[in-house]
Amino acid sequence: DQQVKQNSPSLSVQEGRISILNCDYTNSMFDYFLWYKKYPAEGPTFLISISSIKDKNEDGRFTVFLNKSAKHLSLHIVPSQPGDSAVYFCAALRRDDKIIFGKGTRLHILP
Amino acid sequence: GAGVSQSPSNKVTEKGKDVELRCDPISGHTALYWYRQSLGQGLEFLIYFQGNSAPDKSGLPSDRFSAERTGGSVSTLTIQRTQQEDSAVYLCASSPLRETGVVKLFFGSGTQLSVL
Repeated sequence: DQQVKQNSPSLSVQEGRISILNCDYTNSMFDYFLWYKKYPAEGPTFLISISSIKDKNEDGRFTVFLNKSAKHLSLHIVPSQPGDSAVYFCAALRRDDKIIFGKGTRLHILP
Repeated sequence: GAGVSQSPSNKVTEKGKDVELRCDPISGHTALYWYRQSLGQGLEFLIYFQGNSAPDKSGLPSDRFSAERTGGSVSTLTIQRTQQEDSAVYLCASSPLRETGVVKLFFGSGTQLSVL
């Protein structure tokens, strides 16, 4: 039972353009949604989060949008830079502090 | 300050042997999480600790897997009678007390386990 779904295994975007990574969830009992970034041979690092009562959160080049009615969130990266090439994981935080991750989307930033 | 430390970074073992994976969380972090990432897969939740107790062990794949945390600090994940399907990167993460709403996990670099 996959509660957090990232349906795109990979995404390629031209440098300078907008990258949009998508995530769907099936459970309405999540408090927060988070995005993590992972480089090879390293652990994931926290990128940005959004409360379930908000619909947008912005931090520099990164913006997360939450559509509760659609149970969908997206991460926008503008402008995309070469260092953004990584695997991005969507995660959902339950009220009991359990955190569920999606399978990840590999982002390639093309020169 | 030091981050989350995991040891060993790589472990090669023979099928049927037991292995122990260690995680040293960031000092003062109350929560500790274990995940694993199999080749081409996402992060699979295994177990998490609040202090020394584990409120949710539902992610442990079988009774060959166990974990403990002592003194609210170091945690050990033990896999008995390893199987080839146990091969994966085992990731540990810790987080401070949830005060402002969100739990932010700080991950170690993982232990790459290979079962031959």
